[in-house]
Amino acid sequence: AQSVTQLDSQVPVFEEAPVELRCNYSSSVSVYLFWYVQYPNQGLQLLLKYLSGSTLVESINGFEAEFNKSQTSFHLRKPSVHISDTAEYFCAVSASNYQLIWGAGTKLIIKP
Amino acid sequence: DAGITQSPRYKITETGRQVTLMCHQTWSHSYMFWYRQDLGHGLRLIYYSAAADITDKGEVPDGYVVSRSKTENFPLTLESATRSQTSVYFCASSESVGAQGQPQHFGDGTRLSIL
Repeated sequence: AQSVTQLDSQVPVFEEAPVELRCNYSSSVSVYLFWYVQYPNQGLQLLLKYLSGSTLVESINGFEAEFNKSQTSFHLRKPSVHISDTAEYFCAVSASNYQLIWGAGTKLIIKP
Repeated sequence: DAGITQSPRYKITETGRQVTLMCHQTWSHSYMFWYRQDLGHGLRLIYYSAAADITDKGEVPDGYVVSRSKTENFPLTLESATRSQTSVYFCASSESVGAQGQPQHFGDGTRLSIL
């Protein structure tokens, strides 16, 4: 069965510092991978996705994630965070029946 | 406006009552999903639907009923609400073409409290 592990429940980081949110998945087949962001009192929004091709995918607000097949990872990074990045971030992998398997989420806490 | 709309945004009810959460999407997406989000559990799938009149159980379906008579609507009913069903409920939809690579689009959620 597929599963997704987000290794950190919370990540505190100072404003303008770099951040990495870790995501590992288990799957015996080709996967599609997603990162979603949830701002307080809102629904989840797609941040970026990996379907195929280049292993490095980018979002419009400066986040990037790298698909690493050998390490079964899809870590999310940003070189310099802003207070507006405060949110919870969810990693997900597609399942064979069109569902998404979700990680437990990582809360990104930006310290001024 | 195009998108996915959930109503109500907030609901307080009592144990034993029936309550229905509404979900409406304007994209004509084939797939629709209901999740609940609880501290410590992340997102858990309650039910999903591949098309009108086709529904299937997710991870935590007990105590819930869904229907999908029209593509755009996917209501979730708690037939006899219990305190353990206090949660934030999210509806989502996705396209079917190349379904595994399609992202899910979420509503803003319904915060349900059962007293």
